[in-house]
Amino acid sequence: GESVGLHLPTLSVQEGDNSIINCAYSNSASDYFIWYKQESGKGPQFIIDIRSNMDKRQGQRVTVLLNKTVKHLSLQIAATQPGDSAVYFCAENVSFKAAGNKLTFGGGTRVLVKP
Amino acid sequence: NAGVTQTPKFRVLKTGQSMTLLCAQDMNHEYMYWYRQDPGMGLRLIHYSVGEGTTAKGEVPDGYNVSRLKKQNFLLGLESAAPSQTSVYFCASSSRTSGRSVETQYFGPGTRLLVL
Repeated sequence: GESVGLHLPTLSVQEGDNSIINCAYSNSASDYFIWYKQESGKGPQFIIDIRSNMDKRQGQRVTVLLNKTVKHLSLQIAATQPGDSAVYFCAENVSFKAAGNKLTFGGGTRVLVKP
Repeated sequence: NAGVTQTPKFRVLKTGQSMTLLCAQDMNHEYMYWYRQDPGMGLRLIHYSVGEGTTAKGEVPDGYNVSRLKKQNFLLGLESAAPSQTSVYFCASSSRTSGRSVETQYFGPGTRLLVL
């Protein structure tokens, strides 16, 4: 079935370096994508989103890139900090036709920031 | 503005017991969702609601029931708990979408449930 998945389950990065988290999706009808950050013991927290009519969107220290040709999504974190250590999830959505704003989540990538 | 809150934070049940998880949001969101998260896996949608008095099944609805009697509350019930329902449960809410617009889901802090 349609799914969203991640290439790397764990990413170790040196503090100050840039991090890149990748995500593959298979539903070509998906038109909205979100990255969430989940710290230990907490709920997922919205980081940044992108719609399918865009290929890049920037936030504060984060950039999301969308390549619809190869159905690939990435999250780039600039100057990674210890507070960035968390599990990162990508999620996709197909604009609902009936009702509900349902997201399909990937399995998550753990980012470990080394001092 | 507390956002999305969940009670309880943690609960231990014996097989066959029942319980209700409560989710509340103060953002006047139309949509609410219940997910479960298991180790090494992403979130899976159990049930969702697009408005007061309406509910619908998600990806893994078996063994759960829900009710949305008030717009701000979404209850998840386990009638007869099983060890397979040991998980972390997250509630989320989002605004109503318009046309092809999609609104971000905001999550609560989670409820850890252990079924023995």
